[in-house]
Amino acid sequence: GQQLNQSPQSMFIQEGEDVSMNCTSSSIFNTWLWYKQDPGEGPVLLIALYKAGELTSNGRLTAQFGITRKDSFLNISASIPSDVGIYFCAGRRGAQKLVFGQGTRLTINP
Amino acid sequence: EPEVTQTPSHQVTQMGQEVILRCVPISNHLYFYWYRQILGQKVEFLVSFYNNEISEKSEIFDDQFSVERPDGSNFTLKIRSTKLEDSAMYFCASRGQESSYNEQFFGPGTRLTVL
Repeated sequence: GQQLNQSPQSMFIQEGEDVSMNCTSSSIFNTWLWYKQDPGEGPVLLIALYKAGELTSNGRLTAQFGITRKDSFLNISASIPSDVGIYFCAGRRGAQKLVFGQGTRLTINP
Repeated sequence: EPEVTQTPSHQVTQMGQEVILRCVPISNHLYFYWYRQILGQKVEFLVSFYNNEISEKSEIFDDQFSVERPDGSNFTLKIRSTKLEDSAMYFCASRGQESSYNEQFFGPGTRLTVL
């Protein structure tokens, strides 16, 4: 089946540092999405990418849709305590289901 | 801001019992989904629903699962005879009009514990 490989699995950083995480797939996706999940909550959409090569920002977050359509990365600049959580990439091929990566757990030391 | 709501937030049941998880999607959304997340794992697609019928389902969504939109607002997931391995967070999601640029909004989830 379709699988997304997300790395790293976890990150431990100091407040103020930049963060980078990525997802790769053996299959092509037409849309790449990045979600954040806080404990006990549902995923919240951060950034959506629709075109190969597209680079999109949302505040301190920047994400890119890989030119091959098989990968994406998410960068967070100048991390703050509320950035703590689990970040998931997700791919969508058609109009329906999302395929999620395994998640990157971000921990920030003040 | 409109949001997807789910009830209950936590359901505890005995193995073999039936459970119904409820969702109220965002008003005027047309596409509805159920996902599940086993503790510590990724979110997995279960089923999508449009125009009062299932449009896609995963291998996880076997005969023990069913979905229904009994009225104009609720969207339910029923598990007929729960198993221990059904213990997970179940997320409902909804999406608006047919467009490549409309994404799914997720509810807060129902934690199902099967004993």
